Amino acid sequence: DAGVIQSPRHEVTEMGQEVTLRCKPISGHNSLFWYRQTMMRGLELLIYFNNNVPIDDSGMPEDRFSAKMPNASFSTLKIQPSEPRDSAVYFCASSVDRGRRGYFGPGTRLTVT
Amino acid sequence: AQTVTQSQPEMSVQEAETVTLSCTYDTSESDYYLFWYKQPPSRQMILVIRQEAYKQQNATENRFSVNFQKAAKSFSLKISDSQLGDAAMYFCAYRSASGAGSYQLTFGKGTKLSVIP
Repeated sequence: DAGVIQSPRHEVTEMGQEVTLRCKPISGHNSLFWYRQTMMRGLELLIYFNNNVPIDDSGMPEDRFSAKMPNASFSTLKIQPSEPRDSAVYFCASSVDRGRRGYFGPGTRLTVT
Repeated sequence: AQTVTQSQPEMSVQEAETVTLSCTYDTSESDYYLFWYKQPPSRQMILVIRQEAYKQQNATENRFSVNFQKAAKSFSLKISDSQLGDAAMYFCAYRSASGAGSYQLTFGKGTKLSVIP
């Protein structure tokens, strides 16, 4: 299995631009998570999908952030407009139902200048 | 809400020696899971070991073992025969086993482990 796939691995953009991060979960997994990692706040859950439906988006910092999961094999996290404080590593993870473990993707390092 | 505390921001160990990383957590639940994740410079989050709270026996994975003290809410990771490849950030994490929040991993701030040749 290829594991959780994220793209791009690195993204550098200017403030005000739209950023879209992509995730392909492991086939057969029906739970998907987006996490953000920063030095200040550590690892935070942004949003959780189960069977393509957003269950908990309480971690999404503000309206500039949105996430979609149009089908079982693809999810996006969009930031519009981006700000320098959005600079972080964004992880996607998937699991079988709630599962006992989550499988993390390699992360996307986002830099907003 | 559950919290996870890793009191050692940085640790170092001599190659081939043993090191123990500390983790404490706060919860009112009786059934939950605890995890140690490793994050090397590649950023990949790698599951090292998992412990179910209902199991009294401490989990072991090759050179990695835990000391799970449920009453004390302590979950330390012991790395034996440390290798250069063990150098990484290590995160302790908690997840409820049931209920509305049972999907969410709560992470500690991490411990940066250096291995000295």
